[in-house]
Amino acid sequence: QKEVEQDPGPLSVPEGAIVSLNCTYSNSAFQYFMWYRQYSRKGPELLMYTYSSGNKEDGRFTAQVDKSSKYISLFIRDSQPSDSATYLCAMSRTNTGNQFYFGTGTSLTVIP
Amino acid sequence: DTAVSQTPKYLVTQMGNDKSIKCEQNLGHDTMYWYKQDSKKFLKIMFSYNNKELIINETVPNRFSPKSPDKAHLNLHINSLELGDSAVYFCASSQTTGGLSEAFFGQGTRLTVV
Repeated sequence: QKEVEQDPGPLSVPEGAIVSLNCTYSNSAFQYFMWYRQYSRKGPELLMYTYSSGNKEDGRFTAQVDKSSKYISLFIRDSQPSDSATYLCAMSRTNTGNQFYFGTGTSLTVIP
Repeated sequence: DTAVSQTPKYLVTQMGNDKSIKCEQNLGHDTMYWYKQDSKKFLKIMFSYNNKELIINETVPNRFSPKSPDKAHLNLHINSLELGDSAVYFCASSQTTGGLSEAFFGQGTRLTVV
């Protein structure tokens, strides 16, 4: 079983829709949770970063972490064509491993 | 001002050659990484260096050798390149002292072995 599971999609939505992206994980030691956005032929860029459980909001983006279910989500409200990209979840532990575990990424297309 | 920069961006080379990819970060981070992203977009860690010391060395062929001359640089040298080495290689950095922070990525080096 992979450490982090993510549905690769592709996901296609109309402009203005609410998008829900999700990841599940198996290691209860994960404490730090991140969402990265990767445009074609570019490096991943950090979108949201949360520590432990709870919600975090930044503009149109909301990240949720449910550690009891080992489940994290990213919601995008009022989606725009510029949101079209691959979204990768990542997580890490607090020990000396210093390792980030990535999901396989979900490809999102927002249709104008 | 680029935070994590890699060179070259594109690299096309023949099987059997030796090549290097360079990475530099100007964020003052103490940890640097090399990741490999395959054609299915899966990012897999290869190496992690903390203050110039190797911390993580995942199961990669020993043809891959990282070198960290100082904590702002982490280079990747690949010997005897094979077709299966074709991928995008990403360098990243993070600050781990005082708690683990998020990783910042470079733009990637697209390696094609022919």
